[in-house]
Amino acid sequence: QKEVEQNSGPLSVPEGAIASLNCTYSDRGSQSFFWYRQYSGKSPELIMFIYSNGDKEDGRFTAQLNKASQYVSLLIRDSQPSDSATYLCAVNINPDSWGKLQFGAGTQVVVTP
Amino acid sequence: ETGVTQSPTHLIKTRGQQVTLRCSSQSGHNTVSWYQQALGQGPQFIFQYYREEENGRGNFPPRFSGLQFPNYSSELNVNALELDDSALYLCASSLEDSGGGYFGPGTRLLVL
Repeated sequence: QKEVEQNSGPLSVPEGAIASLNCTYSDRGSQSFFWYRQYSGKSPELIMFIYSNGDKEDGRFTAQLNKASQYVSLLIRDSQPSDSATYLCAVNINPDSWGKLQFGAGTQVVVTP
Repeated sequence: ETGVTQSPTHLIKTRGQQVTLRCSSQSGHNTVSWYQQALGQGPQFIFQYYREEENGRGNFPPRFSGLQFPNYSSELNVNALELDDSALYLCASSLEDSGGGYFGPGTRLLVL
């Protein structure tokens, strides 16, 4: 059974601080990794994707991938109350597919003023 | 706004009934994937349609079926509804080789 694991939280972060979210996956053949943000009662929205080992930055968000350790993380710098949401990590179900994702259960982030 | 639309937004059915959910993909996207999200869980992949053919299926029984039309819109049909089918049903559209996909607003189904 392929698995994507995330800490459920809640992760409490002071406004202006860095939020660090972690995700591990079991399928060593996974090639594509995605972070989605989901506000309560809404659908997931794509924040970032990463395919290669290392860091990828987009505004206040940085995704980090380490395929050897089967680990992907998301950093949110200068956290704002509007960043309070559940963050979902997703992995392509098999390397040759697209759009077929396996999701973790999500990490709830609460940014406190 | 992703450009992906779903209808209806909410639906209440009783056990044993059948339901059809609809999804219009983002302009130019030829792939639609359907997911079920139970409360407090991540989305679970149901199946994907690419160019009107089923292109992969998750661990869901045959009473979950679908269609994709020439304009790439899609339907999800669920027969013999069970209480555990109560969930948020999401469709995501994507273009082949593009990766994750963009979600519509979802249809919240309640089975009584």
